[in-house]
Amino acid sequence: SQTIHQWPATLVQPVGSPLSLECTVEGTSNPNLYWYRQAAGRGLQLLFYSVGIGQISSEVPQNLSASRPQDRQFILSSKKLLLSDSGFYLCAWNGGSVNEQFFGPGTRLTVL
Amino acid sequence: AQSVTQLGSHVSVSEGALVLLRCNYSSSVPPYLFWYVQYPNQGLQLLLKYTSAATLVKGINGFEAEFKKSETSFHLTKPSAHMSDAAEYFCAVTGSGYNKLIFGAGTRLAVHP
Repeated sequence: SQTIHQWPATLVQPVGSPLSLECTVEGTSNPNLYWYRQAAGRGLQLLFYSVGIGQISSEVPQNLSASRPQDRQFILSSKKLLLSDSGFYLCAWNGGSVNEQFFGPGTRLTVL
Repeated sequence: AQSVTQLGSHVSVSEGALVLLRCNYSSSVPPYLFWYVQYPNQGLQLLLKYTSAATLVKGINGFEAEFKKSETSFHLTKPSAHMSDAAEYFCAVTGSGYNKLIFGAGTRLAVHP
């Protein structure tokens, strides 16, 4: 069966520091991968998605970037964090016939 | 363009009462529709999905939803609420490329004794 992992689970970082969040999927190949952010009290905002290695689509211009160095690995990065980058970051994948997405457990990022 | 509107950011019901969470969508292509549930500090879990087969869809935990094309709605219901149903619920519709989901803003369900 397929599983999706995210780490770290929680992270507290100072403003201006770099960021690297990792997402990996097991049990499937060539998945579509997604990064979402949930700010406090708000819905899900799609940040990036990828349909293959090295293929990244950005949905919202911002302080973040994404990379997909391997088929089942998706990384979210920042060179310098802002206070507004705080939130709950969710990775998701799909590969099914009707495009439902399956979500990881999330990373809680607090920027101080 | 596709969009989702969830009416009511907060819904409160008594334990044992009917749960009704409203979702209306807009789509320029035949939609696939989904309901997800999110418990605090967790990822989203798929409750059910509409994929152009039966209009009444049954999901996990006793939830069901009915696709009504004429009303562009996909409301989520459960006959009898449990305390464990307290969570946030998200409705979603496929994007025009069918490889993205458009989410509503979410409805937080509270269940009180």
